[in-house]
Amino acid sequence: EADIYQTPRYLVIGTGKKITLECSQTMGHDKMYWYQQDPGMELHLIHYSYGVNSTEKGDLSSESTVSRIRTEHFPLTLESARPSHTSQYLCASSEIQDNYGYTFGSGTRLTVV
Amino acid sequence: RKEVEQDPGPFNVPEGATVAFNCTYSNSASQSFFWYRQDCRKEPKLLMSVYSSGNEDGRFTAQLNRASQYISLLIRDSKLSDSATYLCVVIRYGNNRLAFGKGNQVVVIP
Repeated sequence: EADIYQTPRYLVIGTGKKITLECSQTMGHDKMYWYQQDPGMELHLIHYSYGVNSTEKGDLSSESTVSRIRTEHFPLTLESARPSHTSQYLCASSEIQDNYGYTFGSGTRLTVV
Repeated sequence: RKEVEQDPGPFNVPEGATVAFNCTYSNSASQSFFWYRQDCRKEPKLLMSVYSSGNEDGRFTAQLNRASQYISLLIRDSKLSDSATYLCVVIRYGNNRLAFGKGNQVVVIP
């Protein structure tokens, strides 16, 4: 069973709409991450958080924003969706010790038309 | 130069054969290394960590060569269910940034 949950699984939305992708984990992990992955391409880190009220931008520039008000919840928001935002968005979490690896959610496949 | 480089393949492997592939990383400060498996249109899942002394998990063997800055994965007695993309993942100590390779696509052929 999944310990990290992402909703929705699939989303088709019109240009200009505001959307929030949800990510929640039940493992008590302090570290959480958002990755973006296009088909056949590598994952790119767009946001991360090391704990409540801590958020940082990742390696890939993104027009999205994140918040971390609760340890278990790390939503990602796009204020005005554009077709260039069409991609798969993967949420992950990890323990403080990096050598335990990351657990990923099932992803949200976003299509902006 | 990308932080993690992998030959995307595909690596077509007869069932029962052995396949091996490498991943090179550019940052010598990298400290933690992993292999993840990603099935088509699914999320990556941790396959195994890679330790300096090398480690084995069933039919899978991972090796780390710090001097040449590469890690390797070997799959013995390939099964059809091994068909997937294998992602090389490197974490740089200190800033906790996790860098992914593009993946090695393995296709096991009956």
